[in-house]
Amino acid sequence: DAGITQSPRHKVTETGTPVTLRCHQTENHRYMYWYRQDPGHGLRLIHYSYGVKDTDKGEVSDGYSVSRSKTEDFLLTLESATSSQTSVYFCAISESWTAGLLGEKLFFGSGTQLSVL
Amino acid sequence: GQQVMQIPQYQHVQEGEDFTTYCNSSTTLSNIQWYKQRPGGHPVFLIQLVKSGEVKKQKRLTFQFGEAKKNSSLHITATQTTDVGTYFCAEHGSGNTGKLIFGQGTTLQVKP
Repeated sequence: DAGITQSPRHKVTETGTPVTLRCHQTENHRYMYWYRQDPGHGLRLIHYSYGVKDTDKGEVSDGYSVSRSKTEDFLLTLESATSSQTSVYFCAISESWTAGLLGEKLFFGSGTQLSVL
Repeated sequence: GQQVMQIPQYQHVQEGEDFTTYCNSSTTLSNIQWYKQRPGGHPVFLIQLVKSGEVKKQKRLTFQFGEAKKNSSLHITATQTTDVGTYFCAEHGSGNTGKLIFGQGTTLQVKP
């Protein structure tokens, strides 16, 4: 498995509290992604990063922010957690992306189960 | 925005039966990838299709990319209990971005 570590693995928090999830990689890959997985919705992209300090929004970015100050770390922050953000969060990485034809495969971390009460 | 629709959402089969999941897009895809997620696990890359009409095989799994590059399918011959899980298609869509957008997934249950 690719060297991806997500922390924490499980978290229970209360509505209105801030939460930060961390993704750490040892592969020196350029691209990093945050997805959430919910029944009936599959995997939905929250934010992604294409380099240090370079990030962009995904499909469901409202209520989330990200930061990438180092190649190896990609942080996902819920500024004020809501019950609708209860989900499993996956971090993923890919080495590169070639415009037009090819996309590198994604390697996923083991996920973080977040419960907002 | 870019979107892929995947059907069916769930499929229950008897061990030994075949299984197919379909991925459809309203726009032309530059490429399509397939992933498998075992229960309680994380998605794992299976394959990428790039060319129009491309067919690739991995043992009992056959992957196809439509001639118009707007649809794809994954077919499993003679399912086994080890095939249980959720299968996702994913696409980069158009434009120069690194975003990978996933379909909703098809969850396969195999009865022994």
